[in-house]
Amino acid sequence: AQSVTQLDSQVPVFEEAPVELRCNYSSSVSVYLFWYVQYPNQGLQLLLKYLSGSTLVESINGFEAEFNKSQTSFHLRKPSVHISDTAEYFCAVRAQAGGTSYGKLTFGQGTILTVHP
Amino acid sequence: NAGVTQTPKFQVLKTGQSMTLQCAQDMNHNSMYWYRQDPGMGLRLIYYSASEGTTDKGEVPNGYNVSRLNKREFSLRLESAAPSQTSVYFCANGPGYSMETQYFGPGTRLLVL
Repeated sequence: AQSVTQLDSQVPVFEEAPVELRCNYSSSVSVYLFWYVQYPNQGLQLLLKYLSGSTLVESINGFEAEFNKSQTSFHLRKPSVHISDTAEYFCAVRAQAGGTSYGKLTFGQGTILTVHP
Repeated sequence: NAGVTQTPKFQVLKTGQSMTLQCAQDMNHNSMYWYRQDPGMGLRLIYYSASEGTTDKGEVPNGYNVSRLNKREFSLRLESAAPSQTSVYFCANGPGYSMETQYFGPGTRLLVL
C-alpha cells in the first residue's frame, strides 16, 4: 500500500514570491507521481506527473517538481507565483504495477496555496 | 466534448434517505472512479471500475454501492444516508493503465442532515 503526506496544510505567500509545496510518500513498490490542482468550486486537474526519465518535470504554467527517490519526495515549486495560482494542490502516487494497489491513486491531504497581493 | 459530467451539483438529504449520484464520460476510457473529498483528508477512493462490467471496493466503501451501467456511466448510490456522508463527491475516469492521467468531474456537494 502507498501513503502520501503533504507537510503543509496551508501556505500563504505574496505575489511574485517563490513557493515550495512539500510532498513525501511511502510505498513498498515503485510508483508514478502526480500533482493535481483544484481551483475553487472546481474538480481536480492534472498539473504535472513523473513517470520515468528526468527527475525534474515541469508544467506549462511555470510549476516544477523534482522526484527524489532517496528521500521519497516530490516537492512542487514555482519561482514566482501569481494571484491566479491560489488553489488547493494535491500530491498523489500510483503503483507502477502489480498487487492490490494496482491502478489506484492515493492522494495526500492537500495544501491550500493562497497568494496575496 | 464534456469530458466527465456529474449530476446533481448539489443535494440536501435527510438521514435515512437514499439517492444516486450520476456520472457519465464521453472520453471512451475504460476505468472510472468515485472519490469523496473531506477537509484535511484529501480524496479517498470509494469504489472503482477497471472496465465495463467490473467494480471493486476502494478505501472507504461502507454505506455505498455502485453500478457500471455501460462504458459511459458509473453511478454511486447511498441507500440510507448518514451525516457522516456529508462530503463532496468526485467522479473520475482514465484509460485503464497505471501511468494514466485521471480526469475529474466538477463534483457533487452533498449535505446530509
